[in-house]
Amino acid sequence: QVQFVQSGPDVVKPGASVKISCRASGSTLTPNTLHWVRQNPGQGLEWMGWINAATGHSKISQRFQGRVTLMKDTSATTVFLELSSLTSDDTAVYYCAREVIESFGELLSLHFDSWGAGTRVTVSS
Amino acid sequence: SYDLTQPPSVSVSPGQTATISCSGENLAYKYVSWYQQRPGQSPLLVIYKDNKRPSRIPDRLSASTSGNTATLTISGTQAVDEADYFCQAWESTSVVFGGGTKLTVL
Repeated sequence: QVQFVQSGPDVVKPGASVKISCRASGSTLTPNTLHWVRQNPGQGLEWMGWINAATGHSKISQRFQGRVTLMKDTSATTVFLELSSLTSDDTAVYYCAREVIESFGELLSLHFDSWGAGTRVTVSS
Repeated sequence: SYDLTQPPSVSVSPGQTATISCSGENLAYKYVSWYQQRPGQSPLLVIYKDNKRPSRIPDRLSASTSGNTATLTISGTQAVDEADYFCQAWESTSVVFGGGTKLTVL
């Protein structure tokens, strides 16, 4: 099964931006759609958005619109999450996860069958 | 916004059956997935499409949906099952997670 390798800075200052990467180990990301999910300390999972590694099409959760940019590199081996205007509330572990999606008429089944190890970001001066 | 509600915690004795609920409006008309997250680890898919198990997941874990509630059942609970469990569904182009349930095996 494909494994996702994540990397990014540990500590960032308030007001700054952070860019986290997610790449597939030993292969390209296409044709997958990757989602970003974060988890604040001791809290639950929060969905941030998705990006299709082949087309670059993306959708951001309404909660993060204006602050999150999702992008991919030209070789489609790595996707990136950039989060701007950081506050202490953005201290969290950020995960990329691969989508598996099936459509059954009006019903949509979507789940995540593989997750990265997570990138811990601490926002602190 | 769409919400999925889970109990914050469930306790079970070893060998007994644990049930974790996930409630949401019209949940019977959505596919539900479940994830297990042990401390310090990434979430792990344990149930998808309401009641399907990935091949590596033991058949002690099962799930069902009735009305507005999805239920994850762990039979013959073992110490290794102690973890946080999250339900997840798709609603209007967005992914929604339940708040999570901490399963304690006493």
